[in-house]
Amino acid sequence: EDQVTQSPEALRLQEGESSSLNCSYTVSGLRGLFWYRQDPGKGPEFLFTLYSAGEEKEKERLKATLTKKESFLHITAPKPEDSATYLCALLLDTGRRALTFGSGTRLQVQP
Amino acid sequence: DADVTQTPRNRITKTGKRIMLECSQTKGHDRMYWYRQDPGLGLRLIYYSFDVKDINKGEISDGYSVSRQAQAKFSLSLESAIPNQTALYFCATSDFYRDTGELFFGEGSRLTVL
Repeated sequence: EDQVTQSPEALRLQEGESSSLNCSYTVSGLRGLFWYRQDPGKGPEFLFTLYSAGEEKEKERLKATLTKKESFLHITAPKPEDSATYLCALLLDTGRRALTFGSGTRLQVQP
Repeated sequence: DADVTQTPRNRITKTGKRIMLECSQTKGHDRMYWYRQDPGLGLRLIYYSFDVKDINKGEISDGYSVSRQAQAKFSLSLESAIPNQTALYFCATSDFYRDTGELFFGEGSRLTVL
């Protein structure tokens, strides 16, 4: 059975304290892995697409990496405005061409 | 105006009532989706549509139906609402030709079934 698991469920950081969020998966065929950010009361917003192991993408303080079994979202020197829920999503190599989302990591960055 | 608009934004209803959530988009995308979000469960796919004549069930379609009235409009119906359908519902769109996995989400419709 295809599964995607995000950890930790919640993370509290001090401003400037770097850390990583994890998205691990067990799937039969992966076409792509995607990271989204969701602010309270809002719809998710797209951050990155990763297609193959070894690929990396960066945007401001965020860097996403991908291996054959997991992806990391590294947050360097976070600021309070980085507080949000971060969701990973998979596009599987099956007949259903729609994203499967993980349950997310709630990140809180304190000043 | 938002690219993806959902109405209503909030709705409280009673068990057994019929409810329709509407979604319209101005992005010109062919693909549209309905997701449901519950605390701790992330987003789960209800239905998706790749064009007006193409409707597909997602992982939790039981108790829901959809209608793609036009390229820009995709409605979700609950024929007889039940309390465990209380959730935050999101409509999303994507571009067929880019196919990067980038979904554009609406602001959500919060539904409470008493």
